[in-house]
Amino acid sequence: GAGVSQSPSNKVTEKGKDVELRCDPISGHTALYWYRQSLGQGLEFLIYFQGNSAPDKSGLPSDRFSAERTGGSVSTLTIQRTQQEDSAVYLCASGYRPTLDTQYFGPGTRLTVL
Amino acid sequence: GNSVTQMEGPVTLSEEAFLTINCTYTATGYPSLFWYVQYPGEGLQLLLKATKADDKGSNKGFEATYRKETTSFHLEKGSVQVSDSAVYFCALSSGGGADGLTFGKGTHLIIQP
Repeated sequence: GAGVSQSPSNKVTEKGKDVELRCDPISGHTALYWYRQSLGQGLEFLIYFQGNSAPDKSGLPSDRFSAERTGGSVSTLTIQRTQQEDSAVYLCASGYRPTLDTQYFGPGTRLTVL
Repeated sequence: GNSVTQMEGPVTLSEEAFLTINCTYTATGYPSLFWYVQYPGEGLQLLLKATKADDKGSNKGFEATYRKETTSFHLEKGSVQVSDSAVYFCALSSGGGADGLTFGKGTHLIIQP
C-alpha cells in the first residue's frame, strides 16, 4: 500500500516568510509524528498526534512553530517568520495500535531558509 | 530524560567483514528499542526492533539483542555487503508511542568492495 507522503519535497524560502509543510500518513494510522533532522542536532522529535489531538507541544522549538491535524489524517506543520536555523529536513511518521511505537517515515521535506 | 548514544563514524569496512555498531541508552521504565536505516537518497526505514529484555530483533542478516543489564542494543551483521552502506540510527520509545522516538546521532557505514 501507499506509504507516508510529504509535500513539498523541497522548499526554499526567504528569511521572515511563513511556510507550510504537509504530511499524508498511511491510511488507518491513528498516530502521527513530526521530527526535524539537521546536521547539528541530529533527529529531534517535535510533536505527536493521536487522532486530531496533540497532548504535548513542548517539543516544538519555538512559538513560531505550530502543527495541526484534521480528520484524523492530513497534518500540516507551519513555521512562521522563518529563520536560517530552521533549515533542516522535516520528517513525518505514522503508526497504529497495538504497535504504536513502531513508526513509518515519509521521505521528508528539505527546507532551506536563505 | 531519555538518551541514546552510538558511535558516529564513519565506519569503513571491507565487503564480507563482521559489523558491530554499538548503542547504549538511558531511559525511564522499559523502553522499546529500534534500529532504523537511511540509505543514500532515501527515507528512514525500520530495520529491526525489540520490545523487552533479552529479545533479539533480526532482519536482512542484521541482529541486535536487548540487554537491560548493560542498557545496550548493539547492531551486528556477520558479513556486510556494499549495499549495506547507509546511515544507521539507534532509537528508543518509552511512552508506548506517545512521546516520539529518541534517536542516536547516527552511524555512517561505508562498505568497500
